[in-house]
Amino acid sequence: AQSVTQLGSHVSVSEGALVLLRCNYSSSVPPYLFWYVQYPNQGLQLLLKYTSAATLVKGINGFEAEFKKSETSFHLTKPSAHMSDAAEYFCAVRVNTGGFKTIFGAGTRLFVKA
Amino acid sequence: ETGVTQTPRHLVMGMTNKKSLKCEQHLGHNAMYWYKQSAKKPLELMFVYNFKEQTENNSVPSRFSPECPNSSHLFLHLHTLQPEDSALYLCASSQDWAGGSYEQYFGPGTRLTVT
Repeated sequence: AQSVTQLGSHVSVSEGALVLLRCNYSSSVPPYLFWYVQYPNQGLQLLLKYTSAATLVKGINGFEAEFKKSETSFHLTKPSAHMSDAAEYFCAVRVNTGGFKTIFGAGTRLFVKA
Repeated sequence: ETGVTQTPRHLVMGMTNKKSLKCEQHLGHNAMYWYKQSAKKPLELMFVYNFKEQTENNSVPSRFSPECPNSSHLFLHLHTLQPEDSALYLCASSQDWAGGSYEQYFGPGTRLTVT
C-alpha cells in the first residue's frame, strides 16, 4: 500500500538557519511527489513537484527537494529560513494503482524564531 | 476572481440545519475535489469529480451530499451534521483526475463549526 511519512510534526529553526523537512514514501510503482505549503487561514499551495525528470527539484520561495529512490525519500530544504516561511508543510505522493490517488502526509509545522 | 474560491469562509450550524458549501474554479480544470482537514489528522479526501462525474467517494457519511453541475462548480450539501464534522473543508481542482503529474489547486477553505 502507498503511504507518506513526515518525520516530526513540528520543526523549529532560527531565522537564517537551514530548513530540513523530512518525507519518506512507500510505493510499489514509480511515484509523483509533491510538497505543498499551507499558511494560516489559507488552502494548500504547491511548492514543488517531482515528475521523474531531474531528481533535484527547485520550487518557489527558495525551496528545493531531492528525490532519492534508494532511500524512498523526498526531503524539503531551504538554505536560509525566513520568518515568512512559518507555515505547515505537506508532502504528497501520487501513484497509479488502477487509477491515480494522491496521499498526503500528516504535515509538519515549521516555526521560525527571530 | 482567480484560482479556486470557496464560500462561505466560515459557517456555524446546528445539528438540525441544512446548509451548502460552494466552490468555484476559474482555471479551466476538469477535476474537482472535496477534502476534510481536522486538527491533528491527515487530509481526508471525501469526493472526486472528473468532467462532472463522481469518480471517488471515500466512504463519506450520507449527511454529506456533493453536487457538481459543471466542471467549474462544486457544492457540498450538509444536513444533520454531528459535532465531529467540525473542520476545515477544502475544495481543490486539477487539470484532470487521471494525470499523475497534475498538482491540485486549493481554495482557502470553509471553517465549519457544528454546535
